[in-house]
Amino acid sequence: ETGVTQSPTHLIKTRGQQVTLRCSSQSGHNTVSWYQQALGQGPQFIFQYYREEENGRGNFPPRFSGLQFPNYSSELNVNALELDDSALYLCASSLGTSGGYNEQFFGPGTRLTVL
Amino acid sequence: AQSVTQLGSHVSVSEGALVLLRCNYSSSVPPYLFWYVQYPNQGLQLLLKYTSAATLVKGINGFEAEFKKSETSFHLTKPSAHMSDAAEYFCAVIYSGGGADGLTFGKGTHLIIQP
Repeated sequence: ETGVTQSPTHLIKTRGQQVTLRCSSQSGHNTVSWYQQALGQGPQFIFQYYREEENGRGNFPPRFSGLQFPNYSSELNVNALELDDSALYLCASSLGTSGGYNEQFFGPGTRLTVL
Repeated sequence: AQSVTQLGSHVSVSEGALVLLRCNYSSSVPPYLFWYVQYPNQGLQLLLKYTSAATLVKGINGFEAEFKKSETSFHLTKPSAHMSDAAEYFCAVIYSGGGADGLTFGKGTHLIIQP
């Protein structure tokens, strides 16, 4: 069974640019959640996708957007990058949307640096 | 709104000593509670979770936690620390039925094991 994978591992962008991060869910999982983890902080929930539809969102602006594909892989897109967007971005997959009952399996993350 | 407070950003114990990491939660409805561990340059791994069954929860690697509603606490313990336990630990909460809202994490506690 393949776990959650993310690409790229590291990424450097400049302010104002756009970035796309990718996540491949664990086999059989139909739900993916994205989190932002700033240095020295706990992860913060960005949004969740279930069967290709966004069905939950945290306190992040619209320039953070996502996609989930029929094979349940996922993308996180961030437009107009700001310095504060520098963080580790984690995706987590689960079977079903009940995050309390269905364990979320986390990938290793993508480290984004905005200069 | 739900929140989690982890007391102590850094905890240092000697190898073989008791590990106690503190977590207090705030949730207006019955919560599900989690402890995750994060090793350097890795994603989050679930240690244990409370989902309204037994209040004493046993997890992996010898860790356990006790849900105390009267104290709104979910402290993590391990009787005897091992060098391999050195890592960042996160407490997280989600209220039952709040799957689409994502997990709310504390800021984390860095566990240091002294030889």
